[in-house]
Amino acid sequence: EAGVTQFPSHSVIEKGQTVTLRCDPISGHDNLYWYRRVMGKEIKFLLHFVKESKQDESGMPNNRFLAERTGGTYSTLKVQPAELEDSGVYFCASSQDRVATAYFGPGTRLTVT
Amino acid sequence: QKEVEQNSGPLSVPEGAIASLNCTYSDRGSQSFFWYRQYSGKSPELIMFIYSNGDKEDGRFTAQLNKASQYVSLLIRDSQPSDSATYLCAVKIESSGDKLTFGTGTRLAVRP
Repeated sequence: EAGVTQFPSHSVIEKGQTVTLRCDPISGHDNLYWYRRVMGKEIKFLLHFVKESKQDESGMPNNRFLAERTGGTYSTLKVQPAELEDSGVYFCASSQDRVATAYFGPGTRLTVT
Repeated sequence: QKEVEQNSGPLSVPEGAIASLNCTYSDRGSQSFFWYRQYSGKSPELIMFIYSNGDKEDGRFTAQLNKASQYVSLLIRDSQPSDSATYLCAVKIESSGDKLTFGTGTRLAVRP
């Protein structure tokens, strides 16, 4: 069984540009979570999808971030326009029932210059 | 005060020793506690979870929870160089929905 996959693995963009991160969860997992780790800080929750619906987006930092989950399958996280403080590693996780059983993807390292 | 606190380390132990990793949390509504291992550049991998006070053992790993002291620890017996990684403590707060709150992690180095 394939794990959670994320694309790209690394993205370097300039301030003001747009970047879209993609997450493919494990097949059959209705729950999909986005987390972010900025340099030197802890991994922080961004949002939680159940199928295609946003269950909790309390961790989204501001309206420059837009997450979608098309048809309850893969998810995208768009940052527009990117700022320097958006640099970090963005993790996606998926689970069948709850976060306690979630599997994490390898992350996308975003560098904004 | 951070919600979940860990000593960043590095914690250095010789091969074969017991490594003791500690974590404190501030929210008494925390009900589930998790230990993840993360190798550099890789995804966090769940090692153990614990819900009840006391000890929970799984192979070389033992998680210990003391809710009165708001303290959770992970013991790794017979440490191996392959255990060298960052260990992340995470809690689930029941009133905050289905999400995890992480500490910054403790880096463990096991010396051959």
